[in-house]
Amino acid sequence: GAVVSQHPSWVICKSGTSVKIECRSLDFQATTMFWYRQFPKQSLMLMATSNEGSKATYEQGVEKDKFLINHASLTLSTLTVTSAHPEDSSFYICSASSSEQFFGPGTRLTVL
Amino acid sequence: AQSVAQPEDQVNVAEGNPLTVKCTYSVSGNPYLFWYVQYPNRGLQFLLKYITGDNLVKGSYGFEAEFNKSQTSFHLKKPSALVSDSALYFCAVRVTGGGNKLTFGTGTQLKVEL
Repeated sequence: GAVVSQHPSWVICKSGTSVKIECRSLDFQATTMFWYRQFPKQSLMLMATSNEGSKATYEQGVEKDKFLINHASLTLSTLTVTSAHPEDSSFYICSASSSEQFFGPGTRLTVL
Repeated sequence: AQSVAQPEDQVNVAEGNPLTVKCTYSVSGNPYLFWYVQYPNRGLQFLLKYITGDNLVKGSYGFEAEFNKSQTSFHLKKPSALVSDSALYFCAVRVTGGGNKLTFGTGTQLKVEL
């Protein structure tokens, strides 16, 4: 149990376009979902905490207008990287939380 | 504020030898501690956690960790390393009063060689 999926697993896009990443809890309901960003050989940086039906809480230094988070249901949260630029290229990981966090497999975003 | 330190960027060990990946923490109140493993281009996989009870926690794939309150440590151990254990390991602590929010260490790259 406690499976979390992410889609897509990787995406390449042109600079200036927007990219949506989905995070789904497949076999449990997640009241809270977290979005992380990870640079090569570095730790996970928490970007935001998302609660179903309410606005996401962003960590300091994370642009909420740049990284739009929607938590429409107890099993789905989406992260949209708007007007992506090469510096947004990274590995994005979500986690879904019931009693503890369960992590998705990650999404590799490359912005050309 | 909570913090987690993993003092070693990389640990090298020969296959068959015991391995230890170090973690120390700083929290107010009782710590909830976790170990995760990450393989290249993958998300984090849960290994084990300490909430309360026995100081020695057994987890997945033969890993275990020992909670030491006096030393504020939670080192990850395995009696006999495998080449397939080579990966990036993260220690984490649950944020006090932050629901299930976690603070992660910087990670330790484990390399197991033949």
